[in-house]
Amino acid sequence: GAVVSQHPSWVICKSGTSVKIECRSLDFQATTMFWYRQFPKQSLMLMATSNEGSKATYEQGVEKDKFLINHASLTLSTLTVTSAHPEDSSFYICSASDRPNTGELFFGEGSRLTVL
Amino acid sequence: QQQVKQSPQSLIVQKGGISIINCAYENTAFDYFPWYQQFPGKGPALLIAIRPDVSEKKEGRFTISFNKSAKQFSLHIMDSQPGDSATYFCAASIRGFQKLVFGTGTRLLVSP
Repeated sequence: GAVVSQHPSWVICKSGTSVKIECRSLDFQATTMFWYRQFPKQSLMLMATSNEGSKATYEQGVEKDKFLINHASLTLSTLTVTSAHPEDSSFYICSASDRPNTGELFFGEGSRLTVL
Repeated sequence: QQQVKQSPQSLIVQKGGISIINCAYENTAFDYFPWYQQFPGKGPALLIAIRPDVSEKKEGRFTISFNKSAKQFSLHIMDSQPGDSATYFCAASIRGFQKLVFGTGTRLLVSP
């Protein structure tokens, strides 16, 4: 399947700082990428849809000013957690597809954010 | 209507046994039903998927059974191995929109 890569795998930051997470499609171009959030022992919740060259679409209840998404190229989407607080600590995972019409989505390895 | 209900929450199976995980959905517009396997600290990996025009799909030891009228689908893992111990998520989507709705997950433990 298609390969989606995330960086960093884990990050620790102080409360009030901002953290950027990168999501790359390694062997294909993705006009759309998805960002999910997963709390320990829970399911994945869709946060937003990242669209190349346009604004991201956020799911209900997700603060767009806190979770800034930029999809500047066909292989890169970034999620910036602004003014992070301990409650933002979570596992953030992106996904994309090399064949959007099939419904198949491939996920990155995830990024573990811990806010102290 | 967007929910996908998954059961059981956890499952313990002996090595060599059959693991069965069930999911149910409400939205009849869903037309793509994948299963993902997730190991601790890793992103979910696509395991197998089915579309509603078939009732069963098999790939190696993994089989999806699909019942369109009951709006249910299940994952069967034959000859379960300790290496299969992971969390399994069912999901559903409308292919044209790609947005996956995930089940709550099943933690599978295969005892040696």
